[in-house]
Amino acid sequence: QQKVQQSPESLIVPEGAMTSLNCTFSDSASQYFAWYRQHSGKAPKALMSIFSNGEKEEGRFTIHLNKASLHFSLHIRDSQPSDSALYLCAPNTGYQNFYFGKGTSLTVIP
Amino acid sequence: GPKVLQIPSHQIIDMGQMVTLNCDPVSNHLYFYWYKQILGQQMEFLVNFYNGKVMEKSKLFKDQFSVERPDGSYFTLKIQPTALEDSAVYFCASSSDRGQNTLYFGAGTRLSVL
Repeated sequence: QQKVQQSPESLIVPEGAMTSLNCTFSDSASQYFAWYRQHSGKAPKALMSIFSNGEKEEGRFTIHLNKASLHFSLHIRDSQPSDSALYLCAPNTGYQNFYFGKGTSLTVIP
Repeated sequence: GPKVLQIPSHQIIDMGQMVTLNCDPVSNHLYFYWYKQILGQQMEFLVNFYNGKVMEKSKLFKDQFSVERPDGSYFTLKIQPTALEDSAVYFCASSSDRGQNTLYFGAGTRLSVL
């Protein structure tokens, strides 16, 4: 079973800051890497995903993937109060179920 | 976007009773999942269901748990009998493929076992 670790557990940043969330995984055969966001009391929703090593940017959000280091991260530029949520990472080999990390709780203060 | 519907949104029952949680997954999806989450903490995998069968289950999927989807109707999670530690939010999810596609989650059923 894939082991997933996220850091930090929680983060408080001021509005406009750059936020970085980390995810390490155990299965080197992982090929699909996704971030989900869960606002309080709501369902998790897919945010972004990446297949290849490197970087992918969508608006204020960027994923960095380093397969050799078994690590990927999510960076949020110009963080907004609406970004406050629990962020869950989910690496996958493509042939397994989705195992999530414990999540990083992000609070963006206006 | 695609919607997963969960019924009911909240269920309160006495310990030892049976409960059935219902999920209406995205219509063309083939893989169905149940996850358990306590107080906004870790989303923990319970079970995965495909083609009428359980494909994988975790240690949290106790003998008192069962899943089925009779003839394309609701995908259900049944707990019989319930225990106090079963109190949690149960999320149903579905996907078109096993590990390479997006999981779509329902809004969850909050189960309170008294």
